[in-house]
Amino acid sequence: DADVTQTPRNRITKTGKRIMLECSQTKGHDRMYWYRQDPGLGLRLIYYSFDVKDINKGEISDGYSVSRQAQAKFSLSLESAIPNQTALYFCATRAAGSEAFFGQGTRLTVV
Amino acid sequence: AQSVTQLGSHVSVSEGALVLLRCNYSSSVPPYLFWYVQYPNQGLQLLLKYTSAATLVKGINGFEAEFKKSETSFHLTKPSAHMSDAAEYFCAVSDMRGGSNYKLTFGKGTLLTVNP
Repeated sequence: DADVTQTPRNRITKTGKRIMLECSQTKGHDRMYWYRQDPGLGLRLIYYSFDVKDINKGEISDGYSVSRQAQAKFSLSLESAIPNQTALYFCATRAAGSEAFFGQGTRLTVV
Repeated sequence: AQSVTQLGSHVSVSEGALVLLRCNYSSSVPPYLFWYVQYPNQGLQLLLKYTSAATLVKGINGFEAEFKKSETSFHLTKPSAHMSDAAEYFCAVSDMRGGSNYKLTFGKGTLLTVNP
């Protein structure tokens, strides 16, 4: 089983719909991140969390929300999806001083 | 605030030629630095990392990078490119301090093309 699991892997949704992307990890790491990847823009940080009581906005948090349900689970929600949120989304986990481990990504299309 | 600049969104080399991918960082405190690779339709895989030990860091697949504090750089090199190196490469920086300053910031990526 993968260390960092994202569900779903692919999703097509309609404008205005609420959608949740889920991430779970078995690494035992305290730090978790959500990024979106767009061609030519690299990975941009949406939200990050140190533990269940610590949630921080990244550079592009508008239109998104997150929930850290447990140390191992970090979900990303789009309350009312819009077409420019079409992107590849990655969840990552990390321990202090170490590299990040990434999930396989969720390809989201908003039509 | 920390940031990463990758010079050149697209680098093209011939098979067997030197690969040089440039990364400059900005950080007000000593940084951790990383290089990741992304093959088509896959996630990100760590190539190598700098965490304040040796300034010349060796990674997987023959890649290495040198941390130069005076130049705020962490360029990635490989002496001889292989066709299988064609991918997108990302440089990333993180604050070396603990506590709440644990953001991990990525550059915009460099797409490496290897020509036969």
